[in-house]
Amino acid sequence: GAGVSQSPRYKVAKRGQDVALRCDPISGHVSLFWYQQALGQGPEFLTYFQNEAQLDKSGLPSDRFFAERPEGSVSTLKIQRTQQEDSAVYLCASRGLANTGELFFGEGSRLTVL
Amino acid sequence: QKEVEQNSGPLSVPEGAIASLNCTYSDRVSQSFFWYRQYSGKSPELIMSIYSNGDKEDGRFTAQLNKASQYVSLLIRDSQPSDSATYLCAVDVNDYKLSFGAGTTVTVRA
Repeated sequence: GAGVSQSPRYKVAKRGQDVALRCDPISGHVSLFWYQQALGQGPEFLTYFQNEAQLDKSGLPSDRFFAERPEGSVSTLKIQRTQQEDSAVYLCASRGLANTGELFFGEGSRLTVL
Repeated sequence: QKEVEQNSGPLSVPEGAIASLNCTYSDRVSQSFFWYRQYSGKSPELIMSIYSNGDKEDGRFTAQLNKASQYVSLLIRDSQPSDSATYLCAVDVNDYKLSFGAGTTVTVRA
């Protein structure tokens, strides 16, 4: 596609529910990142994929967070047993080259946990 | 200490003035530096990248980099109301990921 596509754009979950957020990066982009952005803050790194390999998951806040990119294109961020503190915008970004260059961001998925 | 620090703002400037945004970073080996603009409710979009010491100009925007001082800045000349947004400084860390500052919100008064 022309840009990074994320779905759903908005998600409301009750505390304890599981959610799945999808990211469709720019076609051919090798690198894919997930960031979490709380209100009034900058994006915080969650995890990084190079093709299908998850090379860095150091930013995932807890073991309730899980990400995958099984075929090296579409990625899913899953949050189990959601908590109120998980409420944020989850941004997906992709980059054509492995290590350098601009990150292209999707519009984000805004998660609200009640 | 956060990897990337920005002046907290908010910054309010009159239309036509220069807006000056500052950023410092902690990783001395960082090589790539970016300024992203984020409108309210939208995703970040790249407006400037800089890799070498000195100034880089693109239209009304000028980025300045001083690696010795670990300092990056962005100047917006002839500020317009459409420049009202949050500006995020981003620095490469570990050769592949970007670390972002908290952002500085700029309001241009008409």
